[in-house]
Amino acid sequence: KAGVTQTPRYLIKTRGQQVTLSCSPISGHRSVSWYQQTPGQGLQFLFEYFSETQRNKGNFPGRFSGRQFSNSRSEMNVSTLELGDSALYLCASSLNPGGLNSPLHFGNGTRLTVT
Amino acid sequence: EDKVVQSPLSLVVHEGDTVTLNCSYEVTNFRSLLWYKQEKKAPTFLFMLTSSGIEKKSGRLSSILDKKELFSILNITATQTGDSAVYLCAVEAGNNDMRFGAGTRLTVKP
Repeated sequence: KAGVTQTPRYLIKTRGQQVTLSCSPISGHRSVSWYQQTPGQGLQFLFEYFSETQRNKGNFPGRFSGRQFSNSRSEMNVSTLELGDSALYLCASSLNPGGLNSPLHFGNGTRLTVT
Repeated sequence: EDKVVQSPLSLVVHEGDTVTLNCSYEVTNFRSLLWYKQEKKAPTFLFMLTSSGIEKKSGRLSSILDKKELFSILNITATQTGDSAVYLCAVEAGNNDMRFGAGTRLTVKP
């Protein structure tokens, strides 16, 4: 069974630009969550999608948005990029919403650098 | 506010040592506690704990949860250099939020 796939692996953008990251969950998983990981803040929850609906959202500004498609693939968009958005963005999928009694399976992440 | 606190933040040991990593939490409507190992990129799942006092074991790794005192420990016996990683504790709360601790960076020297 293929794992969680994130594309691209690396991305370099300049301030003010926007970026879209993609995540394909494990086959059969309908829940997709996004996390931002930085050395100072650790893993911070961005949002979770289940059956194309956003179920939960973390404490991030509106510049961060996402969506999920009918095949459970998810995209995350960050507009008007800031230097502080430089981070590893991890996507995780699980069988049940909220990881309810089913662990998260993480992708390898997208390393975003904003210059 | 929900929080998950891991200690120590970093640890350096030698091969063969036994280590104990700690995770304490304060969340609303606790559902489960999970441990992950992150080596380079993707955290990989280790254990999910939902009941107090029941030890989960996988090879040299074991973990237990205390829901009364609100903490969990992850034990690694006879450590190897391949155990070097960041160990993440995450707690799933009743608001469907999965909150992660900052992690413990374990370095095992040969």
